[in-house]
Amino acid sequence: GAGVSQSPSNKVTEKGKDVELRCDPISGHTALYWYRQRLGQGLEFLIYFQGNSAPDKSGLPSDRFSAERTGESVSTLTIQRTQQEDSAVYLCASSLGTGLDEQFFGPGTRLTVL
Amino acid sequence: GQNIDQPTEMTATEGAIVQINCTYQTSGFNGLFWYQQHAGEAPTFLSYNVLDGLEEKGRFSSFLSRSKGYSYLLLKELQMKDSASYLCVLNYGGATNKLIFGTGTLLAVQP
Repeated sequence: GAGVSQSPSNKVTEKGKDVELRCDPISGHTALYWYRQRLGQGLEFLIYFQGNSAPDKSGLPSDRFSAERTGESVSTLTIQRTQQEDSAVYLCASSLGTGLDEQFFGPGTRLTVL
Repeated sequence: GQNIDQPTEMTATEGAIVQINCTYQTSGFNGLFWYQQHAGEAPTFLSYNVLDGLEEKGRFSSFLSRSKGYSYLLLKELQMKDSASYLCVLNYGGATNKLIFGTGTLLAVQP
C-alpha cells in the first residue's frame, strides 16, 4: 500500500500481559515515530527512529516500553506487563527525512488493557 | 514546557469562515503545523508555518506570530466534512523532528 499501515487495528489484553504493536512505514521514509493518544487527550510523542537508530527515546513513559526498527522499515513497539493506564490509541508516523518533512500517520492500534 | 492552548470546541455554519486560535509558551521550535483529525482516524497534515505571516492553501490558511506566541488556522467556505478536530502542533526539528501536539479544537459545522 501507499500509506503507513499498523497492526493489529485493535488489541484487547489482560493486565500484566505483554503486547507487540507493528508499524510498516511508507517505503523509502527514513524517519519513523510512535505516538500515544489517550481518550480525550492530545498525542504524546513516544520515540523516534532515524534509520534503525533511536536518537530520541525521551517520550517512553517507563522501562516497560521498548521499540525497535529493522531494515530501515518495519518497527515494533513492545509494552511489557501492561497496565490499565496503557490503554490508548498508538499511532505510528513516518517522514521522508527530518527537519520539517511532513509526517504521515497510520490508522493506529487501539489498545485496551482490562 | 511547551503548553499549547486551543479552544476545546467551536461551532460554525456551512459556507461560513471560522478562525481557530492557538497560543503556546515555548521558543526554539522550527515550525508550527496544523493537522486535521476526524473521529476515529489518524491526523492528516494541513499546513505549516516557519516564518511569521500567512500561508494560504486553498480553503485553509494558517498564520504565525513567533513574537506573540500565537497562530491561527482559517477555514473558508466551510463544508460539513470539515467537522473534525484541528490540532496545533509544534515541530522541534533538528535531530528529532519531534511533534508536540495541542489537545485540539473540535469543530462542528452545522447546516
